[in-house]
Amino acid sequence: EVVMTQSPATLSVSPGEGVSLSCRASQSVSSNLAWYQQKPAQGPRLLIYGASTRAPGIPARFSGSGSGTEFTLTINNLQSEDFALYFCQQYNTWPLTFGGGTKVEVK
Amino acid sequence: QEQLQESGPGLVKPSETLSLNCSVSGGSISGYYWSWIRQPPGKALEWIGYSYYSGYTSYNPSLKNRVTISVDTSNNQFSLILSSVTAADTAMYYCAGGAAPRKFDYWGQGTVVTVSS
Repeated sequence: EVVMTQSPATLSVSPGEGVSLSCRASQSVSSNLAWYQQKPAQGPRLLIYGASTRAPGIPARFSGSGSGTEFTLTINNLQSEDFALYFCQQYNTWPLTFGGGTKVEVK
Repeated sequence: QEQLQESGPGLVKPSETLSLNCSVSGGSISGYYWSWIRQPPGKALEWIGYSYYSGYTSYNPSLKNRVTISVDTSNNQFSLILSSVTAADTAMYYCAGGAAPRKFDYWGQGTVVTVSS
């Protein structure tokens, strides 16, 4: 199965700053990658699919890039509601697999 | 916008069967793919499998012999059955769904299942 690795595990950022989260696949997943946001006691929310397409209702400050094995989620001008856990998921190959997540916390 | 809610026992004994339900509200269960995903403590999310509303299913090979996912269109809900559970099946279990089987547009908030005697 495809192993998804996210780094770093935690990012400490100040509100208003920008941040980039990394996701690496153990083999090429083409552009078949999604990003999710999860807040405590809530289910995850789809942010990005197709590596770079925002899901409906997702603000433009969220953007995704990459293909193959290297992917990045960029959040510009961090808002208070953006401090959360983010994880990636590949859907190129069965079984579907997820990264371990990056927590974005307030600095 | 579909809303999903998991329900079921929070404690299951080893070797017994885990059964969870997911109620779908705010839209029809028809036409979508419905999945179960779990997260053991300290580990990454693990896809368990999905069922199309018509009944077609696909499962993670690591669980394939023990898992059944089924959809009840008349009650707008779907279920997970996992047999012969062990402590390794202790996890937060999420139901999820979407227009495609490979990504998840809608999620429940999750339910904790502990396997212990």
